[in-house]
Amino acid sequence: QKEVEQDPGPLSVPEGAIVSLNCTYSNSAFQYFMWYRQYSRKGPELLMYTYSSGNKEDGRFTAQVDKSSKYISLFIRDSQPSDSATYLCAMSTGGGNKLTFGTGTQLKVEL
Amino acid sequence: NAGVMQNPRHLVRRRGQEARLRCSPMKGHSHVYWYRQLPEEGLKFMVYLQKENIIDESGMPKERFSAEFPKEGPSILRIQQVVRGDSAAYFCASSPIGGTNTGELFFGEGSRLTVL
Repeated sequence: QKEVEQDPGPLSVPEGAIVSLNCTYSNSAFQYFMWYRQYSRKGPELLMYTYSSGNKEDGRFTAQVDKSSKYISLFIRDSQPSDSATYLCAMSTGGGNKLTFGTGTQLKVEL
Repeated sequence: NAGVMQNPRHLVRRRGQEARLRCSPMKGHSHVYWYRQLPEEGLKFMVYLQKENIIDESGMPKERFSAEFPKEGPSILRIQQVVRGDSAAYFCASSPIGGTNTGELFFGEGSRLTVL
């Protein structure tokens, strides 16, 4: 079993839809949770960062962490074609930036 | 303000040859991380380096792979005697301070190695 599980998709939604992306994990020592966005043939870029459980909102993006269920989510409101990318969840136990990534979910937002 | 620079972007090698991938961190960053991305898999941590020091190489294969970050010049990931299974995208990331736990890694655009 992988430490971090993420549905690879692809996920296709119409423009304006609310998108929900999720990851589950098995290592209860993870404390820091991140979402990265990766466009095709590019490097990942950090979207959201959350420490421990709770919600965090940034514009159209909301990240949620439920440590009791070992489950994290990223919601995208009013999705745009420019949001089409692969979304990677990542997490760490701390002590540096050694991150464990999910496999990524490929999202396509269609006009 | 240049970001993380990786070269070459694409590299083709025949089995048994050596591959050298270079990474220059963002200006002001002194911590470098190498990750490998295989098809259908997520990014896998390989090694974490500071200038002239390897901090964590727990993700590096035991043989054929080595990494360095000299006092002067870029970080280099070296793969000796490449095999087809080494074909992947290799990403370098940098951070201003290791251990801040913010997840703020700045990634380069990757070097795509193809082994024939």
